[in-house]
Amino acid sequence: DTEVTQTPKHLVMGMTNKKSLKCEQHMGHRAMYWYKQKAKKPPELMFVYSYEKLSINESVPSRFSPECPNSSLLNLHLHALQPEDSALYLCASSHGNEQFFGPGTRLTVL
Amino acid sequence: AQSVTQPDIHITVSEGASLELRCNYSYGATPYLFWYVQSPGQGLQLLLKYFSGDTLVQGIKGFEAEFKRSQSSFNLRKPSVHWSDAAEYFCAVGLSGTYKYIFGTGTRLKVLA
Repeated sequence: DTEVTQTPKHLVMGMTNKKSLKCEQHMGHRAMYWYKQKAKKPPELMFVYSYEKLSINESVPSRFSPECPNSSLLNLHLHALQPEDSALYLCASSHGNEQFFGPGTRLTVL
Repeated sequence: AQSVTQPDIHITVSEGASLELRCNYSYGATPYLFWYVQSPGQGLQLLLKYFSGDTLVQGIKGFEAEFKRSQSSFNLRKPSVHWSDAAEYFCAVGLSGTYKYIFGTGTRLKVLA
């Protein structure tokens, strides 16, 4: 298995909802990432997990809460989001210096 | 400061024409260089990468790139563009010893039939 999978593909949520994004990889990679990408912009790094521990938090608001339950799985829990949080959320995993990206979850916050 | 510059925001070429997308970087150490392609609403697909060795790198879909240290450049080329190549292209530098990439702002390629 040489891919990163993400579910759901699309998510619409209200500002009072709680939802989660899921990312999975079975390539044995020990680093996993969350990125946020707005339209016509490059991805922006949010979080990095290394060996299941949070390694980098790029000053992301607390309404985004990452979780890494095991070496293959990465979640992003969402709560009380704002409309400006609408974006494509990309997950990635890495082997050495090369990152492998998932297809993304298109999030719309109403 | 570390940075990646893609000078061309939009490029339009005719199908069958050659293509060159420019990427310049500023980084004090040996760079790990990448080109990714992204179709609308999709994730990033790696086209090619340079870590060391031969400075002309072959990638998928007929793309190649040349690393020129003296010019701090890593330009992407394709001899004959297909309509399916229309997409957003991102150049990235991997910062050694960290988990971070610096992405360029992207170049949107339009292909005319």
